Amino acid sequence: DAGVIQSPRHEVTEMGQEVTLRCKPISGHDYLFWYRQTMMRGLELLIYFNNNVPIDDSGMPEDRFSAKMPNASFSTLKIQPSEPRDSAVYFCASSFRVGVGLSNQPQHFGDGTRLSIL
Amino acid sequence: AQSVAQPEDQVNVAEGNPLTVKCTYSVSGNPYLFWYVQYPNRGLQFLLKYITGDNLVKGSYGFEAEFNKSQTSFHLKKPSALVSDSALYFCAVRDIGTGGFKTIFGAGTRLFVKA
Repeated sequence: DAGVIQSPRHEVTEMGQEVTLRCKPISGHDYLFWYRQTMMRGLELLIYFNNNVPIDDSGMPEDRFSAKMPNASFSTLKIQPSEPRDSAVYFCASSFRVGVGLSNQPQHFGDGTRLSIL
Repeated sequence: AQSVAQPEDQVNVAEGNPLTVKCTYSVSGNPYLFWYVQYPNRGLQFLLKYITGDNLVKGSYGFEAEFNKSQTSFHLKKPSALVSDSALYFCAVRDIGTGGFKTIFGAGTRLFVKA
């Protein structure tokens, strides 16, 4: 079974450019998460979706960041305009709920997109 | 508010010796607790979780963790370390009471196993 698939694996672009990161969750998973990992701040939750609907976007750093999930098998994280401080590894993860009120399943992570803004 | 502390940035152990990676947590209610491992240039991989029941949880690759409610700890252990266990380890907590999936991760502990 394929895991969470992220693309591209690496992205290098100049400050001010638009960046779009893509994620395909595991089939059947109804939760999708976007994280950012840096040495200074560790692993930060940016936003998560349930059944394609954003549930908590309190971690999105600024209006320059936006995320969408148009269907159950695809999500994007967009940064416009990008800045050097956005350089990080961005992870997508997915999970599922086994029953009403049960949120005890782990998250399955993709291998990330390493983003460098020059 | 939920929080997780991993007090050691790095743990060094010789191959064949037991290892412990420490984790303490804080939640307003009861927790779901998780350990993940990250290898270079890879995403986090799930190792084990505590949901309820037995305080000693067994997971992948011979790892286990002990839930201690009074000490609010969830330390990761392995009886005999392998060089291939060298990686970055994350403890994570989720508050059952919220019913949601918001998970707080610790800062990570880098484990070095020396041959």
